[in-house]
Amino acid sequence: AQSVSQHNHHVILSEAASLELGCNYSYGGTVNLFWYVQYPGQHLQLLLKYFSGDPLVKGIKGFEAEFIKSKFSFNLRKPSVQWSDTAEYFCVIGGNNRLAFGKGNQVVVIP
Amino acid sequence: KAGVTQTPRYLIKTRGQQVTLSCSPISGHRSVSWYQQTPGQGLQFLFEYFSETQRNKGNFPGRFSGRQFSNSRSEMNVSTLELGDSALYLCASSLAQPKNTEAFFGQGTRLTVV
Repeated sequence: AQSVSQHNHHVILSEAASLELGCNYSYGGTVNLFWYVQYPGQHLQLLLKYFSGDPLVKGIKGFEAEFIKSKFSFNLRKPSVQWSDTAEYFCVIGGNNRLAFGKGNQVVVIP
Repeated sequence: KAGVTQTPRYLIKTRGQQVTLSCSPISGHRSVSWYQQTPGQGLQFLFEYFSETQRNKGNFPGRFSGRQFSNSRSEMNVSTLELGDSALYLCASSLAQPKNTEAFFGQGTRLTVV
């Protein structure tokens, strides 16, 4: 079975602060890793993905994530957040022919 | 191009009834997956269809079923509704297996069982 853990479900921070969201996964085989984001009133959309190669991947809107295989982690970062980054962020793993979602991080950025 | 379309957006049903939800994928996408989203359990995988065949199924009772048509549109059906089936049901389409590519999600159908 595959599972994903995200901590600190609610995060509140001010504009220009740095953001880091933790993600740990459990799966016995090779996985593909994703971060999806859901902005208020919008549908889920892909932020970034990692399949292989450079473990530091860059996504849209200045986000990046680092895959650390030894720690089974895929943490998401952004050096300086904006009010428009207010959203729910989901860490997702793809393995065993399906996607498994973490419970999500609700991030609120205060102007 | 048009995104993933789910209909209806909202539904209210009573216990014991059945319901059918519809999903039209992005043109050219042959894989359609369904997820249930609740505050307590988060997003949970229901099943995935590809070229009219169910390739994968999550851990849900047999009351939850689905199908896919030759034009890749998909429906899911829940029979004998229970209060606990109240949730947001999301559909996602992708070109290939969703674990290997980007999945595009619809806005969801909000089902309330009373």
